[in-house]
Amino acid sequence: AQKVTQAQTEISVVEKEDVTLDCVYETRDTTYYLFWYKQPPSGELVFLIRRNSFDEQNEISGRYSWNFQKSTSSFNFTITASQVVDSAVYFCALSEGQGAQKLVFGQGTRLTINP
Amino acid sequence: DSGVTQTPKHLITATGQRVTLRCSPRSGDLSVYWYQQSLDQGLQFLIHYYNGEERAKGNILERFSAQQFPDLHSELNLSSLELGDSALYFCASSYGQRYTFGSGTRLTVV
Repeated sequence: AQKVTQAQTEISVVEKEDVTLDCVYETRDTTYYLFWYKQPPSGELVFLIRRNSFDEQNEISGRYSWNFQKSTSSFNFTITASQVVDSAVYFCALSEGQGAQKLVFGQGTRLTINP
Repeated sequence: DSGVTQTPKHLITATGQRVTLRCSPRSGDLSVYWYQQSLDQGLQFLIHYYNGEERAKGNILERFSAQQFPDLHSELNLSSLELGDSALYFCASSYGQRYTFGSGTRLTVV
């Protein structure tokens, strides 16, 4: 069965620090997709990134970067030079196979950036 | 606007009552998913419909039911409501691996 674990329940850092959010996943499928979502205090879910299991290339988008390692079943997310606006709950999620499949979410990491 | 419309945005009701949450998927998306997010909890998968048919069921209570209509909109029916059903209910639609979430319905049971 598929499972996503975000071991860090809460992280608090001072503005401008770098912070890494961990995500470990379990799946028996060879084809799967990994996602990160951000949930700000307003409550909506904001899509950040989607990667498929065949693409282990790391990705950088502005201050955000993602490290996908199949060998350790991890898909970690780093925010560089954090800002107060980055404060939110971040969710890692997994879907198996191709086509229409449910997303399974981790429990989320509440990130607080202090000024 | 994400393209997925959920109504109502907020709902306050009493224990024992029944409510219906509505979701209109993004144009062209055949799949609809329902998720429950209780206070300070992750998103729990409830149910998935694809083109009118139930595809997968998660930890959905027997007091809850859902359906997807021919126009692809979906409704989640919650009955005999309990205080613990208070939560944010999200609907999502998808095309392949592209998922779009609605802004959620915040249900408060008093």
